[in-house]
Amino acid sequence: DVKVTQSSRYLVKRTGEKVFLECVQDMDHENMFWYRQDPGLGLRLIYFSYDVKMKEKGDIPEGYSVSREKKERFSLILESASTNQTSMYLCASTLRGPGANVLTFGAGSRLTVL
Amino acid sequence: GQQLNQSPQSMFIQEGEDVSMNCTSSSIFNTWLWYKQDPGEGPVLLIALYKAGELTSNGRLTAQFGITRKDSFLNISASIPSDVGIYFCARAGGTSYGKLTFGQGTILTVHP
Repeated sequence: DVKVTQSSRYLVKRTGEKVFLECVQDMDHENMFWYRQDPGLGLRLIYFSYDVKMKEKGDIPEGYSVSREKKERFSLILESASTNQTSMYLCASTLRGPGANVLTFGAGSRLTVL
Repeated sequence: GQQLNQSPQSMFIQEGEDVSMNCTSSSIFNTWLWYKQDPGEGPVLLIALYKAGELTSNGRLTAQFGITRKDSFLNISASIPSDVGIYFCARAGGTSYGKLTFGQGTILTVHP
């Protein structure tokens, strides 16, 4: 069964800490995404990558960075976590081309910043 | 980015009832998508719509791409407890990269 795996389901961090959220997909997908999910706001795109070492800002990139050193792995980095970054983070991947709208999502990483 | 307005925000229904939710946009798009998120999981694609006026069914689910290309609706007939979850509309960004914009979501609760 193909899947997107997010290494941490729940994290609790303190304000100012550096946070790494890891995502791995085993489908050989070119495109990978990080979304943030908040009640009443839906899913908002933070960053995406359409190839190794390539990255593009989404709608809310402030306070975040990403790394894509290998095709299967896309990491989201919070350099200095703040309380307003408490949220559910969803990673997704998809093929390039006609099937690009069929995103496969991970189960999510719920981050609490104290 | 472009805004999608999804309504209602939440619904509480009895098992067996029909459900309807919709999504509107200020701009026209070529693709509408409906995803469902089960509790504790990531969203999964239910239905994709590619043509204005298109009506597509997937079991008890029916979705339509509005003729104006600015709206879409999703109907669920004869709801069952496993329909519980959050339903999201989404529109494609017009490229092949899968960059989607999502609506705010509709939280569906089904009482047995």
